[in-house]
Amino acid sequence: QQQVKQSPQSLIVQKGGISIINCAYENTAFDYFPWYQQFPGKGPALLIAIRPDVSEKKEGRFTISFNKSAKQFSLHIMDSQPGDSATYFCAARPNFGNEKLTFGTGTRLTIIP
Amino acid sequence: SQTIHQWPATLVQPVGSPLSLECTVEGTSNPNLYWYRQAAGRGLQLLFYSVGIGQISSEVPQNLSASRPQDRQFILSSKKLLLSDSGFYLCAWSRSVHSPLHFGNGTRLTVT
Repeated sequence: QQQVKQSPQSLIVQKGGISIINCAYENTAFDYFPWYQQFPGKGPALLIAIRPDVSEKKEGRFTISFNKSAKQFSLHIMDSQPGDSATYFCAARPNFGNEKLTFGTGTRLTIIP
Repeated sequence: SQTIHQWPATLVQPVGSPLSLECTVEGTSNPNLYWYRQAAGRGLQLLFYSVGIGQISSEVPQNLSASRPQDRQFILSSKKLLLSDSGFYLCAWSRSVHSPLHFGNGTRLTVT
């Protein structure tokens, strides 16, 4: 019940296209959903996060869409650029107690010219 | 601003040798500190976390241990490395368990 399932494992998108990465969870107590971006040889960096009181959050070209009833959330990267090529991790945790973040298994995104 | 330092960046060690990876955080006090291991296709696995000096919780039983000798210092150790200990080790911090998590740049450990 603590799992976060992330797909696809890898993704190739043409420059200027839309990149979409999906995550699903089972634990209905999860109420904080961040996305992390990791470049090769670096640690993950927090990209954007959402709480379930909103269905969408946008920061620049990055948007999180959240579907509480389906227990799914996704990251959309609009006008994808080669500099967006990285590994992306979704994560989730409850906003109470001492629970830590549960991470998805990551998506390696490659943007081709 | 807060920064997290992790070293060394890469390390090659023979099987059976000891290990010591160090992580320090600057610009904050009493942070929560974490050690993660990242394996290809398996995401980020939490190994240890600490909410204060000398307070260590282990998430996964294994060949590794952690210590927090000072408020902003977190050390990952092993007495005898195994081949299976190879991986990318990440230190992270947060203000509290409910605050955003910030990662260091990791240590690539290869056990030969």
